[in-house]
Amino acid sequence: ETGVTQTPRHLVMGMTNKKSLKCEQHLGHNAMYWYKQSAKKPLELMFVYSLEERVENNSVPSRFSPECPNSSHLFLHLHTLQPEDSALYLCASSQRQNTDTQYFGPGTRLTVL
Amino acid sequence: GQSLEQPSEVTAVEGAIVQINCTYQTSGFYGLSWYQQHDGGAPTFLSYNALDGLEETGRFSSFLSRSDSYGYLLLQELQMKDSASYFCAVYTGGFKTIFGAGTRLFVKA
Repeated sequence: ETGVTQTPRHLVMGMTNKKSLKCEQHLGHNAMYWYKQSAKKPLELMFVYSLEERVENNSVPSRFSPECPNSSHLFLHLHTLQPEDSALYLCASSQRQNTDTQYFGPGTRLTVL
Repeated sequence: GQSLEQPSEVTAVEGAIVQINCTYQTSGFYGLSWYQQHDGGAPTFLSYNALDGLEETGRFSSFLSRSDSYGYLLLQELQMKDSASYFCAVYTGGFKTIFGAGTRLFVKA
């Protein structure tokens, strides 16, 4: 257990569905991240929140919409996804801006039909 | 562009030593990290090198040469449980970390 939990662990959705991924960290960290992990590709940073404000947005399609209501919770809202969006979505947190150590959750395995 | 290169797969036998190399090309550099990820699991932090040299943590060691934009992870006394993917990552400042594609390590009996 890393102190970062994600739900659901697995999600299958159609291209017209709307769903949300949830991440919660119990570490008292100030920054939270969403990454996309596809097979044999580097982790792709999608969004970063620091103290509930978005500080990074790496040209992610608008069909992915993040929300950070407080420093412990992070959501990724999904709508009208494409099959190529199927991947493992990882949430991570870190304590400070100038630290490299990130603590990852177990991920949500997303399949878009 | 920014990139990290590491081998896609490495195979070694139990009890042996294996080295996983990582070369990087990034616009900023504060340090090189290594993460381990078992199938179905979360990446977990192994080590971080901000300065040149070797850092040792138990059976695992990590090395960095900033002048060569190169580092490696050394795993000694390999165990079956070390079979996993290993990612190198460069912390480029702010909240940004660039990850490599990962090296799949297979440990054979």
